[in-house]
Amino acid sequence: NAGVTQTPKFQVLKTGQSMTLQCAQDMNHEYMSWYRQDPGMGLRLIHYSVGAGITDQGEVPNGYNVSRSTTEDFPLRLLSAAPSQTSVYFCASSYSSLEADTGELFFGEGSRLTVL
Amino acid sequence: GESVGLHLPTLSVQEGDNSIINCAYSNSASDYFIWYKQESGKGPQFIIDIRSNMDKRQGQRVTVLLNKTVKHLSLQIAATQPGDSAVYFCAENDWYTGNQFYFGTGTSLTVIP
Repeated sequence: NAGVTQTPKFQVLKTGQSMTLQCAQDMNHEYMSWYRQDPGMGLRLIHYSVGAGITDQGEVPNGYNVSRSTTEDFPLRLLSAAPSQTSVYFCASSYSSLEADTGELFFGEGSRLTVL
Repeated sequence: GESVGLHLPTLSVQEGDNSIINCAYSNSASDYFIWYKQESGKGPQFIIDIRSNMDKRQGQRVTVLLNKTVKHLSLQIAATQPGDSAVYFCAENDWYTGNQFYFGTGTSLTVIP
């Protein structure tokens, strides 16, 4: 059972470089989201999607873009990396609140990004 | 944004004792809450959830209590085991606006053998 798969697990970038963090889920979840986790700050919502073709901003969207062309995939793009984006990034998916009684988020293993 | 906070950033307990982890939330519209456990190097894992129409919910060795009057919830772990050592997060949600959850800063639980 794959669940939520994130790649890469580790990445080092230089300031100004761009990259895409990949996220895929095989549970047919409509809802997908990206969080960043920084020491002492818990998880903060970056962007989310309630279904293919629909995305919206979370708490900390600046510097990140997302797209949702399929139900399974939800990539996170950093167009011009900055040191402030050094963090651990988690992708999560769940059934939508319209479909299920539980909002349990299923998380990937995380992608650790360092921007020099 | 939401404000979800934990009273204690770290907690150490003896193996076999009960653990209590607290969480305060500020959004009175929040009506759904989840506790997650995060082990080192892994993503958070669901432990238990509770809706605002409940005061208490029990799982296997875990109990969540919700006090809506003071916007407070707690996670109780019975007979704490070394495998319970992890960071615990509470997350709040206004269920009818969607699946967006707002997380607290976390409490690190260490179980002393």
